[in-house]
Amino acid sequence: EAGVAQSPRYKIIEKRQSVAFWCNPISGHATLYWYQQILGQGPKLLIQFQNNGVVDDSQLPKDRFSAERLKGVDSTLKIQPAKLEDSAVYLCASSLEGRGVDFGNGTRLTVT
Amino acid sequence: DAKTTQPPSMDCAEGRAANLPCNHSTISGNEYVYWYRQIHSQGPQYIIHGLKNNETNEMASLIITEDRKSSTLILPHATLRDTAVYYCIVRVGRGSTLGRLYFGRGTQLTVWP
Repeated sequence: EAGVAQSPRYKIIEKRQSVAFWCNPISGHATLYWYQQILGQGPKLLIQFQNNGVVDDSQLPKDRFSAERLKGVDSTLKIQPAKLEDSAVYLCASSLEGRGVDFGNGTRLTVT
Repeated sequence: DAKTTQPPSMDCAEGRAANLPCNHSTISGNEYVYWYRQIHSQGPQYIIHGLKNNETNEMASLIITEDRKSSTLILPHATLRDTAVYYCIVRVGRGSTLGRLYFGRGTQLTVWP
């Protein structure tokens, strides 16, 4: 089966600009996650969706980050405006009831 | 909010067994132990998980102590391609279904020729 797809693979922007990341989960996976991974650290959960509803967004900096999952399939994560400390890899993951979590290869964001 | 403790780094000779330890002394009765690994520039990859019994699959074996406060991931015959960061995770939430993963810093395993 196809894995979790993410685009773009790399993105470089200047601070205060906006950026969006796209994720297509594995077909049939109801749960979708966005993680942020800063260099040298483990991934940190930002938001979790169940179908198109938010289950947990307690770690999402809502003043600048937003995410949506329309029709319970694809999802986008947006940052507006970006700060230098947002430089990280943004990982999308999805899971099926009773199974492990499958990750995409992420989008590497550099904010200059 | 990682609930596990792992050594920051380990190394292993190619062809030998790699034994990666993990402490999870505050684990609850309904929480599973999951292991993932992350090869450079890739997303984390699922390896194995368990509740209280030892588990084995084509990639690795998982040994969980009887009191469930620690576990060991065993790669029986390490290869150079096993060089990666290995994460031990206690999965929280309802059973093992909607539970989300909290990652620590993991163990950097280096397999040398």
